Amino acid sequence: GAVVSQHPSRVICKSGTSVKIECRSLDFQATTMFWYRQFPKQSLMLMATSNEGSKATYEQGVEKDKFLINHASLTLSTLTVTSAHPEDSSFYICSASVAENEQFFGPGTRLTVL
Amino acid sequence: GQNIDQPTEMTATEGAIVQINCTYQTSGFNGLFWYQQHAGEAPTFLSYNVLDGLEEKGRFSSFLSRSKGYSYLLLKELQMKDSASYLCAVMDSNYQLIWGAGTKLIIKP
Repeated sequence: GAVVSQHPSRVICKSGTSVKIECRSLDFQATTMFWYRQFPKQSLMLMATSNEGSKATYEQGVEKDKFLINHASLTLSTLTVTSAHPEDSSFYICSASVAENEQFFGPGTRLTVL
Repeated sequence: GQNIDQPTEMTATEGAIVQINCTYQTSGFNGLFWYQQHAGEAPTFLSYNVLDGLEEKGRFSSFLSRSKGYSYLLLKELQMKDSASYLCAVMDSNYQLIWGAGTKLIIKP
């Protein structure tokens, strides 16, 4: 089956620092990758959609200068949380899509900003 | 606006059957998904329905009625490991997923 990995799985950082999260499709090429954020006891919230080689499309309310997304290849997308603050602490999940009817989710990255 | 409704929490007994309902109002429809999510983990795909009717996959079945904007996930022979949140999501006309808030299913012995 299709496998999506994320790295790191957990990260703790100081306020004001930047954190990069990698999302890789291990055994397939993903035409589209999605980044989600999930706060405790809430549903997934789509942050942005990215296609390889083009700029990401951000959802309303998501600051594109704060959450930098780079989709450099068909197997790798990165999300950089710049100048992280405690309110950015959340569970960040990526997913990758080959066809339009299925998304494969990564295991998630738990970010804690002190 | 776009809206997905599902119950917040349900409780069922081990070995029994439970049905989790989902109603939706979206701009366009390109399929409905059910995901299972254990606490602290990413969701895992359970089912996809795009045509009306029942899709059976082992102990889990999913039903769709597009005219009613309604789906349900049916879980049979419940096991303790089925305790999780079940997320309903609809793919809209732009092929983006609109997520429900999830139904927390508690299984009791």
